[in-house]
Amino acid sequence: DIQMTQSPSTLSASVGDRVTITCRASQSISSWLAWYQQKPGKAPKLLIYKASSLESGVPSRFSGSGFGTEFTLTISSLQPDDFATYYCQQYNSYWTFGQGTKVEIK
Amino acid sequence: EVQLVQSGAEVKKPGESLRISCKGSGYSFTNYWISWVRQMPGKDLEWMGRIDPSDSYTNYSPSFQGHVTISADRSISTAYLQWSSLKASDTAMYYCARQDILTGHTGYWGQGTLVTVSS
Repeated sequence: DIQMTQSPSTLSASVGDRVTITCRASQSISSWLAWYQQKPGKAPKLLIYKASSLESGVPSRFSGSGFGTEFTLTISSLQPDDFATYYCQQYNSYWTFGQGTKVEIK
Repeated sequence: EVQLVQSGAEVKKPGESLRISCKGSGYSFTNYWISWVRQMPGKDLEWMGRIDPSDSYTNYSPSFQGHVTISADRSISTAYLQWSSLKASDTAMYYCARQDILTGHTGYWGQGTLVTVSS
């Protein structure tokens, strides 16, 4: 099985901050990586697919990068609506999710 | 408009059986896999398994193999997740999600079904 290690688990930030979340795969997954945002009681929302492609309708302050085993999600200027939990997901071989990063208000 | 609509919340006792559903609309149901994802209270997302509705071929996570059954009825564009004997530890939110067979893109999720198992 492919394991996904996400860091940090919690991140305290202020509106306007640049935020970066990292995800590491236990083996190469090429670009088969997605990032999701989840708010309490809601289904995950796709932000980024194929490591760096922005899902339709998602603000351009969200970006993704990486290939192989190392990936990052960046929020260029944190907005009030962005306080949520973020998950990476590999879909190279079935699915595996990272442990989540909760972005909190500083 | 693409939609995945899941069945409503359930409250069951340990040992009871249950089947929850996920109905797709606004697209060709047989052209996309349906996956099921568990989220226990306050915990992370866990992939349970998936089905190809065109032929009902399934794959399961080793963690869930033998504990749940995934099925589909393509005539009514509906996928199912079922348990034959629930445990308290099955208490969770369950989501279905649609995955493009060719690209892997997963942009549509159901709203979730909360299953509570308690004596």
